Amino acid sequence: LAKTTQPISMDSYEGQEVNITCSHNNIATNDYITWYQQFPSQGPRFIIQGYKTKVTNEVASLFIPADRKSSTLSLPRVSLSDTAVYYCLVGDVAGTALIFGKGTTLSVSS
Amino acid sequence: NAGVMQNPRHLVRRRGQEARLRCSPMKGHSHVYWYRQLPEEGLKFMVYLQKENIIDESGMPKERFSAEFPKEGPSILRIQQVVRGDSAAYFCASSGGGDGETQYFGPGTRLLVL
Repeated sequence: LAKTTQPISMDSYEGQEVNITCSHNNIATNDYITWYQQFPSQGPRFIIQGYKTKVTNEVASLFIPADRKSSTLSLPRVSLSDTAVYYCLVGDVAGTALIFGKGTTLSVSS
Repeated sequence: NAGVMQNPRHLVRRRGQEARLRCSPMKGHSHVYWYRQLPEEGLKFMVYLQKENIIDESGMPKERFSAEFPKEGPSILRIQQVVRGDSAAYFCASSGGGDGETQYFGPGTRLLVL
């Protein structure tokens, strides 16, 4: 499974767009990029998954450049409730263990 | 469609006792994963099971820990003779069925060993 690097923490204000970038230089051909969100005392919540280019759902967008060595999770117009830890994971998701790093702690202020 | 269910949500045990943690996967899911999270840390994989089979237990401590996923009923993570270092949050995830391989997590069981 590819190792990932993401910022330890980020600060933002309500209403702003937040972009969290994750580096994964050793991503393999079969690997997908998956982002999870975790609130204190809760289990991780699946946000978005992609393989290349751009993926968008009702919660976020995921931008993946052509070389796939990085990806950016974009949260539009964050609110206080988006304060959480965000994990970037890379791997062949078919029946494999997920490798969690320390994630990015996003703090949203009013 | 109910999500992954775990019980109990909180469990207190004294050193030397046994802890049993239960996980019911999402409806239609046949794959179960257990993870452990220590304070201020990311989740660490423990074991991956399918019905009646352990597929990958590379993250399980060699002693005192065991897991099963019987044909009927929930998956069980069992910790025998608990020690203080076992205090952590234990999360279960499930995948499979029409949702593909994305792992969906339960709310976790917080184990406290006194």
